Amino acid sequence: GAVVSQHPSWVICKSGTSVKIECRSLDFQATTMFWYRQFPKQSLMLMATSNEGSKATYEQGVEKDKFLINHASLTLSTLTVTSAHPEDSSFYICSAPRTFYDSSYNEQFFGPGTRLTVL
Amino acid sequence: GENVEQHPSTLSVQEGDSAVIKCTYSDSASNYFPWYKQELGKRPQLIIDIRSNVGEKKDQRIAVTLNKTAKHFSLHITETQPEDSAVYFCAASKNNAGNMLTFGGGTRLMVKP
Repeated sequence: GAVVSQHPSWVICKSGTSVKIECRSLDFQATTMFWYRQFPKQSLMLMATSNEGSKATYEQGVEKDKFLINHASLTLSTLTVTSAHPEDSSFYICSAPRTFYDSSYNEQFFGPGTRLTVL
Repeated sequence: GENVEQHPSTLSVQEGDSAVIKCTYSDSASNYFPWYKQELGKRPQLIIDIRSNVGEKKDQRIAVTLNKTAKHFSLHITETQPEDSAVYFCAASKNNAGNMLTFGGGTRLMVKP
């Protein structure tokens, strides 16, 4: 199956610093990627839709100036948490949809996630 | 927007018994309903999915049913095994799997040996 990678897998940073998380589709091109956030023992909540070549679309309540998204190429989207605070500590997961040989079948592929801890 | 409700939030069964998890959705335009298994600290793994043009799908011990009229879908796991213990999430999306997923709240399944 298709592979989506994330880097780093975990990061610990001091309050006030910025952290960049990369999401790559390794064997397919993704014009769209999705960023989710998952707090402990909770579900995945969509933060934003990353669009290659255009601005990201943010969900209600997600600050676009705090969570900067850049879809630099057809295989890479980055999420930068700016001026991180302890309440931003969470598990961040990206996903990318892939359409297979006939356009009637597609599937979402998830990255392994990045655990962010802000001290 | 779409809202997905999932029940129960926790489910404990004896090994060999069946487990059923139910979800409802609000947007009648949703047409893709995947189920994911997530182990602690790992990515969600797709275990089965169903599209709105079918009412039931089965893959070995796992089956999913969809009732479009009532806007609910269910996951059925038969002959449960301890390794089935995990958190299960249902989800819904429009435009098949090419669009964003709205997840249910999750069900923690515990299979007792």
